[in-house]
Amino acid sequence: NAGVTQTPKFQVLKTGQSMTLQCAQDMNHEYMSWYRQDPGMGLRLIHYSVGAGITDQGEVPNGYNVSRSTTEDFPLRLLSAAPSQTSVYFCASSRPRTSGGVEQFFGPGTRLTVL
Amino acid sequence: GENVEQHPSTLSVQEGDSAVIKCTYSDSASNYFPWYKQELGKRPQLIIDIRSNVGEKKDQRIAVTLNKTAKHFSLHITETQPEDSAVYFCAAPPQTGGSQGNLIFGKGTKLSVKP
Repeated sequence: NAGVTQTPKFQVLKTGQSMTLQCAQDMNHEYMSWYRQDPGMGLRLIHYSVGAGITDQGEVPNGYNVSRSTTEDFPLRLLSAAPSQTSVYFCASSRPRTSGGVEQFFGPGTRLTVL
Repeated sequence: GENVEQHPSTLSVQEGDSAVIKCTYSDSASNYFPWYKQELGKRPQLIIDIRSNVGEKKDQRIAVTLNKTAKHFSLHITETQPEDSAVYFCAAPPQTGGSQGNLIFGKGTKLSVKP
């Protein structure tokens, strides 16, 4: 199992450019999510999906779009990049734990810089 | 919705000493409290969790305690080692949004263990 994979690892954009961050998982998890991590801010939820065809907004969704056409893939689109979107982006998938709750499996992250 | 606060933001200890990180949550209905460890440049990974019907859980040198009345939970690391140096995040599930796959994270504690 590759687990959760993300591409690219690093990206530099100019203000106003658009791009898609790719995320894939091979664990057949229904739940997937996108977080951004900024210094001193922890992990903030951008968008999430509870299954193919179903997405919803998290804590900081503005400026981002998502879609979920398959169980495996959950891409994050930046429509018009802004310097405030400079961050490290983590994709995650979740499975229920036998002891209760869920365990999130994170991808390796994408470090995005917007100039 | 759930709000998770974490203290301290930084913690420095001598090797062999104990470290304690504390989190508070706002939603009394929350029932699952995981802790994640993130080493420098890597992805967050689950290290221990606790459910609301348990007051304490241990796994070798790490333990988590939960006080439901006060709505706080803590991570305890004993006999700290340099490899414990990392950022630690507490989390709790939101009670709104219709998805138990979500987690709301604290802002993180950077633990430094000095040899």
